[in-house]
Amino acid sequence: GAVVSQHPSRVICKSGTSVKIECRSLDFQATTMFWYRQFPKKSLMLMATSNEGSKATYEQGVEKDKFLINHASLTLSTLTVTSAHPEDSSFYICSAPGGGPTIRDIQYFGAGTRLSVL
Amino acid sequence: SQQGEEDPQALSIQEGENATMNCSYKTSINNLQWYRQNSGRGLVHLILIRSNEREKHSGRLRVTLDTSKKSSSLLITASRAADTASYFCATVWMDSSYKLIFGSGTRLLVRP
Repeated sequence: GAVVSQHPSRVICKSGTSVKIECRSLDFQATTMFWYRQFPKKSLMLMATSNEGSKATYEQGVEKDKFLINHASLTLSTLTVTSAHPEDSSFYICSAPGGGPTIRDIQYFGAGTRLSVL
Repeated sequence: SQQGEEDPQALSIQEGENATMNCSYKTSINNLQWYRQNSGRGLVHLILIRSNEREKHSGRLRVTLDTSKKSSSLLITASRAADTASYFCATVWMDSSYKLIFGSGTRLLVRP
């Protein structure tokens, strides 16, 4: 099946620094990718839709200046948490629908990134 | 915001027993999917059922969909310790945006 690689798997940073998380589709092209945030023992909350070659679409309540999304190629989307603070600590997961015209409804997920802001 | 709720929130069963999880949603859907998440990991797609389908099977998994009640159930038969994970239902809305809206999830523990 299709593979989505997410990096890094874990990051610990100081308050005020920016953190970049990468999401790559390894064996298929993804014009759309999704970014989720998950709190402990909670469900996934959709943050934004990343669109290749155009601006990301953010869900209500998500600060676009805090969570910068860049989808520069058909296989790579990045999420940058700018000026991270302890309340940004969370598990971030990306996904991509794919990998063919008849199964676009199925999404393939990265392994997630655990961000801890000190 | 979350599309719907799942129950139970947590389920503990003995290996070999069946596990049933229920999901309710709020709006018209294109399809409903179930995903599994091992602790601290990404999600893995299990099964998809379209809005015009009522029941679907895949190995030890059986999914039902009742669009009149806006609900779905996932049955795992003959459970194994390796089935221990969190299970989420997710709906795809009719607007074809491919966005998945997740339910609250059920944490399943299968005791050996």
